[in-house]
Amino acid sequence: QQQVKQSPQSLIVQKGGIPIINCAYENTAFDYFPWYQQFPGKGPALLIAIRPDVSEKKEGRFTISFNKSAKQFSLHIMDSQPGDSATYFCAARANTGTASKLTFGTGTRLQVTL
Amino acid sequence: DTEVTQTPKHLVMGMTNKKSLKCEQHMGHRAMYWYKQKAKKPPELMFVYSYEKLSINESVPSRFSPECPNSSLLNLHLHALQPEDSALYLCASSQGQGSYGYTFGSGTRLTVV
Repeated sequence: QQQVKQSPQSLIVQKGGIPIINCAYENTAFDYFPWYQQFPGKGPALLIAIRPDVSEKKEGRFTISFNKSAKQFSLHIMDSQPGDSATYFCAARANTGTASKLTFGTGTRLQVTL
Repeated sequence: DTEVTQTPKHLVMGMTNKKSLKCEQHMGHRAMYWYKQKAKKPPELMFVYSYEKLSINESVPSRFSPECPNSSLLNLHLHALQPEDSALYLCASSQGQGSYGYTFGSGTRLTVV
C-alpha cells in the first residue's frame, strides 16, 4: 500500500516536445506529492509539488496534474530542452505520527534530443 | 544557507573497516533522513530523526548505525559492510514532521570491497 507506481521507465522526446510522466498510488493517507529531478552523481532536487486538494499546479515549464479520485498524478514538461535530460521521480509523503516518510516512484529517465 | 552538505563525496572501504558518513544542514530543519540509492533505482528510506530522536528505522541491518549529535548534524556509522551495501547514500532534511519540503544532499558514493 506504500507503493508509488511510475511510468514510463524511460522517455525520449525532441526539443520543444512535452514529455508526460505518470504516477499512481493506493495509500489515501499520502498528503503531499512532490516531483524530483536527479542528474547523475547528484542528489534529487525538488522540482514542483502538489497537495491533494489541488487539481493542477504550474511552476515555469513544469505542471502537475492531480486526480484525487483516480489516485493518479502526472508531470508535464513544456517546451522541453536538452538540459532537462535527467531522471525524474514522483514521490508521496505520509505522516506516521512521529515523523513523515517520503516514498519514491521507480523513476523515469528522460532524454531530450536536439 | 539552503544546502545539505554531505562528506565525504566518495568512500571506498573494506568489509572489516569502520567508517562514518557525515551530513550537515544550517537551515534550522528539525527532521533529518538517511536514504540509500542503488544504481538506476529510487532512493529508499533508511532512518528518520525528528527533533534529534530516532523516529523511524526501516528495518536496517545493525551494521548501519545512525547518530544525531545535534539538530544540524547527522552521522551514519558503518561497520562490517558487505559488497551489496555499495550505493549512493543520501541525506535529506525538512523543517519538521508537518513540513512538506525535503532538501537532499548530493550524497556519498560508497564502495565496499
